[in-house]
Amino acid sequence: DTEVTQTPKHLVMGMTNKKSLKCEQHMGHRAMYWYKQKAKKPPELMFVYSYEKLSINESVPSRFSPECPNSSLLNLHLHALQPEDSALYLCASSPRRIQETQYFGPGTRLLVL
Amino acid sequence: QQQVKQSPQSLIVQKGGIPIINCAYENTAFDYFPWYQQFPGKGPALLIAIRPDVSEKKEGRFTISFNKSAKQFSLHIMDSQPGDSATYFCAAGHSGGSNYKLTFGKGTLLTVNP
Repeated sequence: DTEVTQTPKHLVMGMTNKKSLKCEQHMGHRAMYWYKQKAKKPPELMFVYSYEKLSINESVPSRFSPECPNSSLLNLHLHALQPEDSALYLCASSPRRIQETQYFGPGTRLLVL
Repeated sequence: QQQVKQSPQSLIVQKGGIPIINCAYENTAFDYFPWYQQFPGKGPALLIAIRPDVSEKKEGRFTISFNKSAKQFSLHIMDSQPGDSATYFCAAGHSGGSNYKLTFGKGTLLTVNP
């Protein structure tokens, strides 16, 4: 099973809302990633967790707050977002510590009004 | 030096044709080169990947050619089908160190006409 699941599939939120995106994998992978993808652009790395510890933060604004409660679960907490944050948010995982073969989830399509 | 340059930006072929997508890199520390396929509204799916110790890798109808001296690699799709219509991203990574991440090309939108 090489599946990464993400919920919700779609999310519409106002600039004052607080919401969370959820990512889950049951492949025993120990590295998990959040990416942001704008239309017709490649994915941009936001955060990397390795063995449940934040390993990389690509200078992401504090209105995005990641959390890794356990090795199978990754959350992205959203607060006071801007319309320009509207994008497809992708979660990915890879087998070992920080390893090459990344498997992506289907993404959450976020619209900020 | 972290860039991966991908071309063409878009490509249209007829069914059965062999589309070729090219990527070039500068960072000689890169040692892992995957290709991802992405359909509209979906996440990228790993298609095939190569390391610099081989010059070619084939999986089904998909072939990666790698030229280490030229720092270039390309994806060939044999007997292309309309179902192959998607955006293709090349990427490069460096497996050493603790700060590993993939550098993506800008993508190629492939259309295969019936």
